[in-house]
Amino acid sequence: GAVVSQHPSRVICKSGTSVKIECRSLDFQATTMFWYRQFPKQSLMLMATSNEGSKATYEQGVEKDKFLINHASLTLSTLTVTSAHPEDSSFYICSARLISSGGYNEQFFGPGTRLTVL
Amino acid sequence: QKEVEQNSGPLSVPEGAIASLNCTYSDRGSQSFFWYRQYSGKSPELIMSIYSNGDKEDGRFTAQLNKASQYVSLLIRDSQPSDSATYLCAAPQTGFQKLVFGTGTRLLVSP
Repeated sequence: GAVVSQHPSRVICKSGTSVKIECRSLDFQATTMFWYRQFPKQSLMLMATSNEGSKATYEQGVEKDKFLINHASLTLSTLTVTSAHPEDSSFYICSARLISSGGYNEQFFGPGTRLTVL
Repeated sequence: QKEVEQNSGPLSVPEGAIASLNCTYSDRGSQSFFWYRQYSGKSPELIMSIYSNGDKEDGRFTAQLNKASQYVSLLIRDSQPSDSATYLCAAPQTGFQKLVFGTGTRLLVSP
């Protein structure tokens, strides 16, 4: 149980184009999903918290107009990197929140999407 | 002070030994704690959750929580080279849905 998928796993695009990444919870419903970015040999960096049916909450320093998040259903959140540039090249990882039987929040990660902008 | 702190390592142990990974946290309101394993180039994988003081065992893994000392640890018994990875400690930020992650401890298990 608690499987999260991401698509695509890898994408290469030209500078100036937009890229959409999908995150799905396959065997549970997730009212909350999270989007992270990780540069090589660096820590996970939370970009935003995505809540189903409402606007995402972005972390300080993350441009909401550049990283568009949509959480239209209880199993799907999307991240669109608009007008991507080489500095946006990174490993993008989503996670989905599952409330355990004890009432605690657990997060399960998708496999990640490696974005390369040429 | 960082909210969740870990020694970055690397922690080197020989195969078959016990690896001990440590984490401290600053938010006394934290009620749940998580250990994730992240292999190089992969996403984090949840391996242990612990919510109450004491020990919790799952196979070769034991998580230990001491809320009074604000200390969480992960013990890996009979370490294998396949355990070589970065181990991330995480706790929810009180009042928020998000997790706060430590920077991770890199574990190297040598054959």
